[in-house]
Amino acid sequence: DSGVTQTPKHLITATGQRVTLRCSPRSGDLSVYWYQQSLDQGLQFLIQYYNGEERAKGNILERFSAQQFPDLHSELNLSSLELGDSALYFCASSGGLAWGTDTQYFGPGTRLTVL
Amino acid sequence: AQSVTQLGSHVSVSEGALVLLRCNYSSSVPPYLFWYVQYPNQGLQLLLKYTSAATLVKGINGFEAEFKKSETSFHLTKPSAHMSDAAEYFCAVTSGGSYIPTFGRGTSLIVHP
Repeated sequence: DSGVTQTPKHLITATGQRVTLRCSPRSGDLSVYWYQQSLDQGLQFLIQYYNGEERAKGNILERFSAQQFPDLHSELNLSSLELGDSALYFCASSGGLAWGTDTQYFGPGTRLTVL
Repeated sequence: AQSVTQLGSHVSVSEGALVLLRCNYSSSVPPYLFWYVQYPNQGLQLLLKYTSAATLVKGINGFEAEFKKSETSFHLTKPSAHMSDAAEYFCAVTSGGSYIPTFGRGTSLIVHP
């Protein structure tokens, strides 16, 4: 158990809909990272927040957005969903800022299926 | 720009045999390199990382990797495979002060009794 929790575990929805994925980092961790894992694209970094502020942006679509709240939990919002958005979405957390030196702890993921 | 190539989407070994998972990277500046393991239905777990200290990096579960700049490689090895090592392994690189990592496509390790 990494200490990172994600809800829900599974989500099934229809094209055009909007969903929100939630992540609670390990106690004391200030950074939250979101990743997408799909058969087509592999594992891709989406976005990082540190103590409420956006710090780095990867291959995140404009239809997707994220935020980190004062209690440090984070939400990833996916809108106008398409079939290709079906994937595993992982959240990870770390204590600091630096991807290069911080160890990230991954949650179990949310499996999104868009029908 | 940076990229990662993992040779072999599947590697099959017998229990007790040497494990070798290959990773080659490209980066215009000195990289940080990582190996992660993903067990079925779980998130990623860091095995080891290279951050410009010793070129031979030891990780958890008996794995190690050697950074070879001349070959732009960071191959993962373990002397003796266990059944519990069966999982998906990902190599990743980040460099140049960018916090945006690039992952390889992953290698599935299959361990036969």
